[in-house]
Amino acid sequence: QQPVQSPQAVILREGEDAVINCSSSKALYSVHWYRQKHGEAPVFLMILLKGGEQKGHDKISASFNEKKQQSSLYLTASQLSYSGTYFCGTEQNTGNQFYFGTGTSLTVIP
Amino acid sequence: KAGVTQTPRYLIKTRGQQVTLSCSPISGHRSVSWYQQTPGQGLQFLFEYFSETQRNKGNFPGRFSGRQFSNSRSEMNVSTLELGDSALYLCASSLGAGGRYEQYFGPGTRLTVT
Repeated sequence: QQPVQSPQAVILREGEDAVINCSSSKALYSVHWYRQKHGEAPVFLMILLKGGEQKGHDKISASFNEKKQQSSLYLTASQLSYSGTYFCGTEQNTGNQFYFGTGTSLTVIP
Repeated sequence: KAGVTQTPRYLIKTRGQQVTLSCSPISGHRSVSWYQQTPGQGLQFLFEYFSETQRNKGNFPGRFSGRQFSNSRSEMNVSTLELGDSALYLCASSLGAGGRYEQYFGPGTRLTVT
């Protein structure tokens, strides 16, 4: 089951904050976040696991609500380099295949 | 450490042909996953290999197949190509299998089917 991301697109000015959401209708074991810049490969940002374990980059923060099967990625004090498409990826408790969301396009303008 | 490498980077094939794509993971990584990326469908999971065994398979027809070798390098094969197979094919490697491990993506192979 593909997770649903929101918003689909967002435009920010440098220094502003943004939140990107990812929700699933299935019980999840893990949520991943990746950023992909145009013409480049996706780059790992964060993993959140069932039970509370997290690992990722220091400047990125995220949350995982296990009751609601929702995750949010928090981008604070945005920089021009934050521009790109953000994908969440999920693995269900059943250890099934990995599903990526449809992506959120984020544009940071000066 | 060297990153994930994929060959070839670009490929043009005609309908009905077959194609083989190659992926070399980061040294020490034992899991390789393959994804198809298109503007309309986003990133779609094809399969995951761990220690030469297919661990999971996505919802793709049997024309899509793959394998992993003892050195963790992986190949995917698409037979009887269709126009709809035109896409960017990404492979990703990780230390272990499953969602516990972050994935490191290669630059992709851009396949165009005419």
